[in-house]
Formats: sequence, C-alpha cells, structure tokens
Amino acid sequence: AQSVAQPEDQVNVAEGNPLTVKCTYSVSGNPYLFWYVQYPNRGLQFLLKYITGDNLVKGSYGFEAEFNKSQTSFHLKKPSALVSDSALYFCAVRDLRSRFGAGTTVTVRA
Amino acid sequence: DTAVSQTPKYLVTQMGNDKSIKCEQNLGHDTMYWYKQDSKKFLKIMFSYNNKELIINETVPNRFSPKSPDKAHLNLHINSLELGDSAVYFCASSQVATTTGELFFGEGSRLTVL
Repeated sequence: AQSVAQPEDQVNVAEGNPLTVKCTYSVSGNPYLFWYVQYPNRGLQFLLKYITGDNLVKGSYGFEAEFNKSQTSFHLKKPSALVSDSALYFCAVRDLRSRFGAGTTVTVRA
Repeated sequence: DTAVSQTPKYLVTQMGNDKSIKCEQNLGHDTMYWYKQDSKKFLKIMFSYNNKELIINETVPNRFSPKSPDKAHLNLHINSLELGDSAVYFCASSQVATTTGELFFGEGSRLTVL
C-alpha cells in the first residue's frame, strides 16, 4: 500500500531562517506526492504536488519541494520562513484515495 | 464564493442521537470525499463518490451513511452516535477521480458527542 511518513512532529525555526519539513514515501509504481497546509480551525489547503518531470516543484506562498527518488523523499522547503507560516503541514501520496502523513506542526518565532 | 462548503460547522449532541453533515462544492468537480480528522490531527478517508457513484468505502461502521444526490453534493448521516465519533469531519472534492488531482477541502464540521 502507498504511504508517507513525516518523521518530525514539530519543527521550530526563527523568522527569516530556512524552513524544511520532511516527508518520505513508500509506493509501488510512480509516486504522486502532495503537500497541504492546515491553519488552526481551517480546512487543508493545497500547496504543491509532484507528478512527473522536474524534481524541484514550486508552489504557493513561496514554498517548494524536492523530489528525491533515491532517498524516497519529498521534503518541503522555504528559503525564508515567516511567522504566518506557522501551521500544520501534511504530506500526502495519491492513488484513488489520498493517504496523509501524521502532520508536522511548524512554529516560526519572531 | 466558497468552493467547498460544509454545514454545520459545529455539532454538539448526545450519545445515541442521529446527525447529518451537508457538503456542497461549486467547482464543477466530479469526485467528492469525506475525511475524518481525530484529536491527534490524523486524517483518514471514509468515503468517496465519483459522479454520484460510491467508489471508496473504507472500513467505516455502517452507522455512517453517505449520500450523493448529485455530483455537487455529498452528505454524511451518522446514526446512534458514539463518544468515539467525536472528530472534525472534512468534505473535499477533486476534479476527477485520478491520481494527479489535488483535493479542495471544506472548513470542517466539528462533531462533539457527549
């Protein structure tokens, strides 16, 4: 079965510093990978996805993610974090259903 | 205009009662989903409909019954509510039931069973 793992429950960074949220995947066949963000008491919002092609995918709000086939990873990155990036981030792998990781809470301190 | 809207946003009810949550999407999508988010924020798919036809039915108690009157609406009815049903229920939609489309989520319906 397809699955993703987010090894960190929490990530804390200072504003202006780079932000990385880790995700590893386990799939048979081609992986279709997604990142979503959830702000408190809100629904999930799509950030970006990897389907095929360029390993570096750019998304909303200045986020990008790098697909690494040899390491089976799809880490989310932002060069300079903002306090407003503080939220819960989910990695997901898609077949007919989307299977989500456990989520990583990002806190960006001013 | 809200793309995926759910009502009600909050439900507080007693054990044993029956409740419904409604969902509507105005994106013209063919596929709709119900997800359950538990207290640890873990997300699990419950059901999916493609053009009114049930295509995913995870191992959900049969007290939960989805209904899709048309492809823009997907409702969730829950009978004989239990304490463990307390969660946030999210409706979502995607353009088609393929593997490459992202999901669009509603704001969630927080169910509290007392």
